Amino acid sequence: GQQVMQIPQYQHVQEGEDFTTYCNSSTTLSNIQWYKQRPGGHPVFLIQLVKSGEVKKQKRLTFQFGEAKKNSSLHITATQTTDVGTYFCAGPRSNDYKLSFGAGTTVTVRA
Amino acid sequence: DGGITQSPKYLFRKEGQNVTLSCEQNLNHDAMYWYRQDPGQGLRLIYYSQIVNDFQKGDIAEGYSVSREKKESFPLTVTSAQKNPTAFYLCASTTGGNQPQHFGDGTRLSIL
Repeated sequence: GQQVMQIPQYQHVQEGEDFTTYCNSSTTLSNIQWYKQRPGGHPVFLIQLVKSGEVKKQKRLTFQFGEAKKNSSLHITATQTTDVGTYFCAGPRSNDYKLSFGAGTTVTVRA
Repeated sequence: DGGITQSPKYLFRKEGQNVTLSCEQNLNHDAMYWYRQDPGQGLRLIYYSQIVNDFQKGDIAEGYSVSREKKESFPLTVTSAQKNPTAFYLCASTTGGNQPQHFGDGTRLSIL
């Protein structure tokens, strides 16, 4: 079945530095979605990418969908303490209403 | 203000007991989902429902049951057959298809 994998599982970042987290699917995706879950909270939808090679920005966050629509990345610049949390990517499974979630990248920030 | 309400926030289950987790949404969404979250394992799908009076098993349905008698409500029962129920349970809804999902605040279930 379809698998969505994320690396790294943990990311420890110095405040002010940049980092990137990656998402890879075993199958081609119609779209990729990114969610953020703060510690003790619930996942919150961030963005959806649909087109091959698409790049979208949200302030310091840059999301990219690969040309083959099998991978995606999230790049955060000038990391802040508000970026702490777990970032999940998710891709639709074929022919149904389900999403496959990656295991997430948990981000901690050193002040 | 539209959203998804899960209750209770914390729940304790005794051995051999069934417990029911509530999920209510006023977003007028057709599809609803239940996920289980364990540390470091992301979200695993328990059950989902695309329309009222219909639901399907997800990846880890054993030991759980659901109903969808109303569009707004999708309760999850954790039965005594679920031997390791301690987890964070999340309910989500969407307009349908593969649209982004909206999540409730979750219920943390523990064993007494």
